[in-house]
Amino acid sequence: NAGVTQTPKFRILKIGQSMTLQCAQDMNHNYMYWYRQDPGMGLKLIYYSVGAGITDKGEVPNGYNVSRSTTEDFPLRLELAAPSQTSVYFCASSYDASRSYEQYFGPGTRLTVT
Amino acid sequence: LAKTTQPISMDSYEGQEVNITCSHNNIATNDYITWYQQFPSQGPRFIIQGYKTKVTNEVASLFIPADRKSSTLSLPRVSLSDTAVYYCLVGGHNTDKLIFGTGTRLQVFP
Repeated sequence: NAGVTQTPKFRILKIGQSMTLQCAQDMNHNYMYWYRQDPGMGLKLIYYSVGAGITDKGEVPNGYNVSRSTTEDFPLRLELAAPSQTSVYFCASSYDASRSYEQYFGPGTRLTVT
Repeated sequence: LAKTTQPISMDSYEGQEVNITCSHNNIATNDYITWYQQFPSQGPRFIIQGYKTKVTNEVASLFIPADRKSSTLSLPRVSLSDTAVYYCLVGGHNTDKLIFGTGTRLQVFP
């Protein structure tokens, strides 16, 4: 199993550009998450999904959108990128609610907006 | 979700036992305590989870007193590779989401 994969690993965006961060998992997990981590800080939850077709906001959803059309994929869309969105983005998954405490994380995408 | 408080940083030397304590005074009856480890430039990794008393696995031990208002992650005989940030999280067993704080940055010296 590849686990949780994320693409790209690095990206530089200009202010106002848009992009999609890709996340996929091959563990048949129902729950998937997107976090951002600013330098020296903990992780903040952006959006999460408890299954295909179901998404919900986390702590910091503004400026982002998600969709979950399949169990495996959970892309994160940035519209009109801003310097405040410079961060490392982590995708994670867990089996279901009973094991949501045990999340598996991807390697991260380092995004710089200039 | 209960708020957690843990030291910002700790230093240790190779071969020592490290104990990181987390305070969670407002823990709810159905909350579990979970610890994650994060190496530089990597995503966090689940270490251990417990509800009460003591839990041990191949990586660490978790001690939870009877009042559950705190917990202690114990790392036996640390090595340089244990240098990482350790997060304490509290939440219901069937919670949809976890809340990560800023964690404890452990530095292990030779």
